[in-house]
Amino acid sequence: GENVEQHPSTLSVQEGDSAVIKCTYSDSASNYFPWYKQELGKRPQLIIDIRSNVGEKKDQRIAVTLNKTAKHFSLHITETQPEDSAVYFCAASTLGGFKTIFGAGTRLFVKA
Amino acid sequence: DTGVSQDPRHKITKRGQNVTFRCDPISEHNRLYWYRQTLGQGPEFLTYFQNEAQLEKSRLLSDRFSAERPKGSFSTLEIQRTEQGDSAMYLCASSPWTELNTEAFFGQGTRLTVV
Repeated sequence: GENVEQHPSTLSVQEGDSAVIKCTYSDSASNYFPWYKQELGKRPQLIIDIRSNVGEKKDQRIAVTLNKTAKHFSLHITETQPEDSAVYFCAASTLGGFKTIFGAGTRLFVKA
Repeated sequence: DTGVSQDPRHKITKRGQNVTFRCDPISEHNRLYWYRQTLGQGPEFLTYFQNEAQLEKSRLLSDRFSAERPKGSFSTLEIQRTEQGDSAMYLCASSPWTELNTEAFFGQGTRLTVV
């Protein structure tokens, strides 16, 4: 069945450093890859997404890259700040979006 | 708050009891999803509605689980004969209908504890 694997499960960085979270997906029909941020006790919220016709997308300090051949996609956060501390989930879905498969999450700690 | 709302926020129930949760999506959103999230895991897909039609249901959803969206607006998720393994956060999400996949807006969730 469909599967999304996410690494690392925990990531600790110093404020100002970069953070990279990597995901792989199994369903080659996947064409939409959102990333959600979930702060403690709050709902998941979209921070960036990418479609399969694009290899890279950037929004201020956040960027996502996609390698369709390898079925890999990654989230890059530059100049990390303490408020970036949260759990980040990658996800993959196919055209129609009926079912979105989430990774297990990465808990990011940004130390001041 | 005009986002997705869920009720109740917390539910404690005894094993074997039935529980029902409600989700009110963003008003113009045709698509509605239910997910389950356990500690340290990502949201796990349960079921999907487009308007009032339930178009997909996860194999993980046993016969004890049923969801409805009778008028294409709010949705309910019922769990019959609850088990301790049902303890989790139940998240509802909605999104507008578009040809392409788009962002799902999540509710705050209903945290279920089965004792």
